[in-house]
Amino acid sequence: DSGVTQTPKHLITATGQRVTLRCSPRSGDLSVYWYQQSLDQGLQFLIQYYNGEERAKGNILERFSAQQFPDLHSELNLSSLELGDSALYFCASSGSAGLGETQYFGPGTRLLVL
Amino acid sequence: QQPVQSPQAVILREGEDAVINCSSSKALYSVHWYRQKHGEAPVFLMILLKGGEQKGHEKISASFNEKKQQSSLYLTASQLSYSGTYFCGTVSSAGGTSYGKLTFGQGTILTVHP
Repeated sequence: DSGVTQTPKHLITATGQRVTLRCSPRSGDLSVYWYQQSLDQGLQFLIQYYNGEERAKGNILERFSAQQFPDLHSELNLSSLELGDSALYFCASSGSAGLGETQYFGPGTRLLVL
Repeated sequence: QQPVQSPQAVILREGEDAVINCSSSKALYSVHWYRQKHGEAPVFLMILLKGGEQKGHEKISASFNEKKQQSSLYLTASQLSYSGTYFCGTVSSAGGTSYGKLTFGQGTILTVHP
């Protein structure tokens, strides 16, 4: 158990809908990362927040957005969902935002868009 | 551009050794190794930093050639529990907007048989 929690574990929804994935980092960690894992794209970085501020952005779609709240939990919002958005979404956390920080992954949210 | 891992798959018998390689075309600050079992979260194994620092599990060893931007993970006296997909993740030393963005390789599937 990494200490990172994610809810929900599974999510089934329809195309065009909007969902919110939630992540709580390990106690004391200030940085949160979101990753998407699909069969064809592998494990892809989406976005990083540090202490409430966006720090790095990957190939995140405009339909996706994220934020980190004052209590350091983070939410990833996915809207206008398409079949191709079906994937495992992982959140990871680290102590700070440095280049050499170890990232600990949560259990993931499995999203299925029908 | 994502790092390239080799081999794509390895099959071992318990007690045998294996080496997994990771190669990047970019200058790297750090290399991170993870193991993932099907449907589960990636589990941190080792981080290797520019300058020689390493952090990780005692039973795992790895190397980082900064000049060649290559890293290798050494698995010795393999056990059944070593089975899974191994990923290397790299952090570019370009800094700037990269921060903690991990770019993952495509993964190496390791299967250990009794």
